[in-house]
Amino acid sequence: DSGVTQTPKHLITATGQRVTLRCSPRSGDLSVYWYQQSLDQGLQFLIQYYNGEERAKGNILERFSAQQFPDLHSELNLSSLELGDSALYFCASSPRGQGEWETQYFGPGTRLLVL
Amino acid sequence: GEDVEQSLFLSVREGDSSVINCTYTDSSSTYLYWYKQEPGAGLQLLTYIFSNMDMKQDQRLTVLLNKKDKHLSLRIADTQTGDSAIYFCAESYAGFQKLVFGTGTRLLVSP
Repeated sequence: DSGVTQTPKHLITATGQRVTLRCSPRSGDLSVYWYQQSLDQGLQFLIQYYNGEERAKGNILERFSAQQFPDLHSELNLSSLELGDSALYFCASSPRGQGEWETQYFGPGTRLLVL
Repeated sequence: GEDVEQSLFLSVREGDSSVINCTYTDSSSTYLYWYKQEPGAGLQLLTYIFSNMDMKQDQRLTVLLNKKDKHLSLRIADTQTGDSAIYFCAESYAGFQKLVFGTGTRLLVSP
């Protein structure tokens, strides 16, 4: 158990809908990362937040957005969902997320199926 | 640019050694990692190597880095059925925490 929790574990929804994925980082970690794992794109970095502020952006679609709250939990919002958004979404956390290298601890993921 | 390649599949017998290979294209990579993904679980960091090292050993795991050829390998000694999983190599760069993952290698260990 990494200490990173993600809810829900599974999500089934329809095209055009909007969903919110939630992540609670390890206690004390200030940085949260979101990754998407899909069959055609593999594992891709989406976005990083550090202490409530966006720090780095990857291949995140404009239909997707994220935020990190004062209690450091993070939410990834996916809107106008398409079939191709079906994927496993991982959250990871690390103590600082800047400067020296540090380990990212991954949650178990949320599996999203868009029908 | 960022591009990390791995072979898709490896099958070995229990007790044999497994070698999983990875090639990357970005010579500015600072850290290289091996992650393990089991069904229904997240990504578990197995080991990592700094780009100025050639080799790192951690119990049954040996990581070899050939920086000239941009080639990374993970050797698992005395492979067990519990080692069956998908293995990802990943890279990151100094000052940037995002991980760039390879395509993943599915390791199947048969008794």
